[in-house]
Amino acid sequence: DAGVIQSPRHEVTEMGQEVTLRCKPISGHDYLFWYRQTMMRGLELLIYFNNNVPIDDSGMPEDRFSAKMPNASFSTLKIQPSEPRDSAVYFCASSLPSRNRGEKSPLHFGNGTRLTVT
Amino acid sequence: AQSVAQPEDQVNVAEGNPLTVKCTYSVSGNPYLFWYVQYPNRGLQFLLKYITGDNLVKGSYGFEAEFNKSQTSFHLKKPSALVSDSALYFCAVKAAGNKLTFGGGTRVLVKP
Repeated sequence: DAGVIQSPRHEVTEMGQEVTLRCKPISGHDYLFWYRQTMMRGLELLIYFNNNVPIDDSGMPEDRFSAKMPNASFSTLKIQPSEPRDSAVYFCASSLPSRNRGEKSPLHFGNGTRLTVT
Repeated sequence: AQSVAQPEDQVNVAEGNPLTVKCTYSVSGNPYLFWYVQYPNRGLQFLLKYITGDNLVKGSYGFEAEFNKSQTSFHLKKPSALVSDSALYFCAVKAAGNKLTFGGGTRVLVKP
């Protein structure tokens, strides 16, 4: 199993540019989560999906952020326009299906995308 | 609302000594509790979880944690720390739904 795969690993962009982060969850997992990690705020849940449907997006900072999951094997997190305060490490995670009591299962994390907005 | 507190930003311990990383939580209802470890430039890795049953749970790499309902705590322990245990440790709680809330993290430094 390749685990959760995120791309790119590093992204450096200028303020105002659009940024798209990508995630491939573990096959068979039907929960997908996007987290943001910063020194100041720690790990913040941005949004999570179940069966490709957004369940809770209350952590999405503002309208500049959007996330999609067009199918079970792919999700994107887009920031448009990007700002320097968006600089952080963005993690994607997935977990087991709800039919297997996914809420009791641990999350499996990707290695993250380190975003720097100058 | 659910929350997790890790009162220590950093824990220093000598190799071979016991290691404890503290965690307290606040939830409505029965908690599902988790510990994760993060190495530099990597994602979080699952160590162990408490769902129900025995209060002492054992996990990966010789770690264990004790669930204490009356103190709402879930401290992580290892009897004999290794230099390779130096990392960032996160406690997390999940109550209703599948929303995992993390503590602020505790950096562990094990000195040879």
